[in-house]
Amino acid sequence: DTEVTQTPKHLVMGMTNKKSLKCEQHMGHRAMYWYKQKAKKPPELMFVYSYEKLSINESVPSRFSPECPNSSLLNLHLHALQPEDSALYLCASSPWGGWDQYFGPGTRLLVL
Amino acid sequence: DQQVKQNSPSLSVQEGRISILNCDYTNSMFDYFLWYKKYPAEGPTFLISISSIKDKNEDGRFTVFLNKSAKHLSLHIVPSQPGDSAVYFCAAAGNAGNMLTFGGGTRLMVKP
Repeated sequence: DTEVTQTPKHLVMGMTNKKSLKCEQHMGHRAMYWYKQKAKKPPELMFVYSYEKLSINESVPSRFSPECPNSSLLNLHLHALQPEDSALYLCASSPWGGWDQYFGPGTRLLVL
Repeated sequence: DQQVKQNSPSLSVQEGRISILNCDYTNSMFDYFLWYKKYPAEGPTFLISISSIKDKNEDGRFTVFLNKSAKHLSLHIVPSQPGDSAVYFCAAAGNAGNMLTFGGGTRLMVKP
């Protein structure tokens, strides 16, 4: 298994909803990442987990809450989002937390 | 301050000809440089990389050139094919390796 999977592919939520994005990889990678990408912009790093511990939080608002239950899974819990949070949310993994990151297909989120 | 820049937002090339995508960076601490290709509604796919100790890396139709003194890298695709039409992101990483800095992307259109 050489891919990063993300569910759901699309998500529409209201500003009072609570939802979660899921990411999974079975390549034995020890680092996992969340990125946010707005249209026509490059991906922006949000969080990095290294060996299941949060190692980088790029000053992301607390309405985004990451969780790494085990080395293969990464969740992003969403609560009280704003319309400007609508974006493509990308998960990536890396064997040792280096530059060789493999991206999932993303979840396209729309906040109404 | 953008540390990685792709100054051409778009590029149009005829099928069979060479596509040259350019990328400039400002941080001399970057050690690895990567190119990702992205189709709409998909995550970025790793294409090719180069270490700062090299000036050229080739993989099939794709060649990346690095000019450290000019802080410039380029991706050559030859011959270009319609399936190459996508957005190409240049990315850079320091020797700590765990964070990628992306350029703004260049949309390549290869016309049949």
